[in-house]
Amino acid sequence: AQSVTQPDIHITVSEGASLELRCNYSYGATPYLFWYVQSPGQGLQLLLKYFSGDTLVQGIKGFEAEFKRSQSSFNLRKPSVHWSDAAEYFCAVAFDGSYKLIFGSGTRLLVRP
Amino acid sequence: DAGVTQSPTHLIKTRGQQVTLRCSPKSGHDTVSWYQQALGQGPQFIFQYYEEEERQRGNFPDRFSGHQFPNYSSELNVNALLLGDSALYLCASSLTTGEAFFGQGTRLTVV
Repeated sequence: AQSVTQPDIHITVSEGASLELRCNYSYGATPYLFWYVQSPGQGLQLLLKYFSGDTLVQGIKGFEAEFKRSQSSFNLRKPSVHWSDAAEYFCAVAFDGSYKLIFGSGTRLLVRP
Repeated sequence: DAGVTQSPTHLIKTRGQQVTLRCSPKSGHDTVSWYQQALGQGPQFIFQYYEEEERQRGNFPDRFSGHQFPNYSSELNVNALLLGDSALYLCASSLTTGEAFFGQGTRLTVV
């Protein structure tokens, strides 16, 4: 079955430190890849997306992600974390021919002052 | 642009009751999807509506049904509520297969 794995349930980083959140998906042709952020009690906000082309994509709030087809990964990065980045981050995949997004279980980011 | 709006924001229902949740898509969007997000989990796809028809469905029982109106707004209905239906229900709108924009969700508690 198609699936998305976010291996880190929680990550804690110090403010100003760099961040990498991992995402792997099960094999599927032509994936469309997304990262969403969710603050407590809120809906999901799209950070960035990959459909095709350059495998390094830039998003909002200084985030970027790199698609590596050989590793079935789409890791999210930020060079310097701000306290306001503390939230839950979800990786999502849509496979060609399907209209649904398949989400990972999320990574909760905590930021130390 | 108000974005995707959902109502109500919170509600409490008793087991066995029925509930209707509502969603107004982002202006110009013609496709509405519904997701269920249990506490501590990622959202799970329930179904998607396009041109007033259910286009794709996830692994949810028939107790979950929906509707899309000519103005693209949508309703999610859940019958015979179970305790396990307690969750945040998210509506997302898009242009056919474009990126999805999510509403703030409806928090349903079944007691």
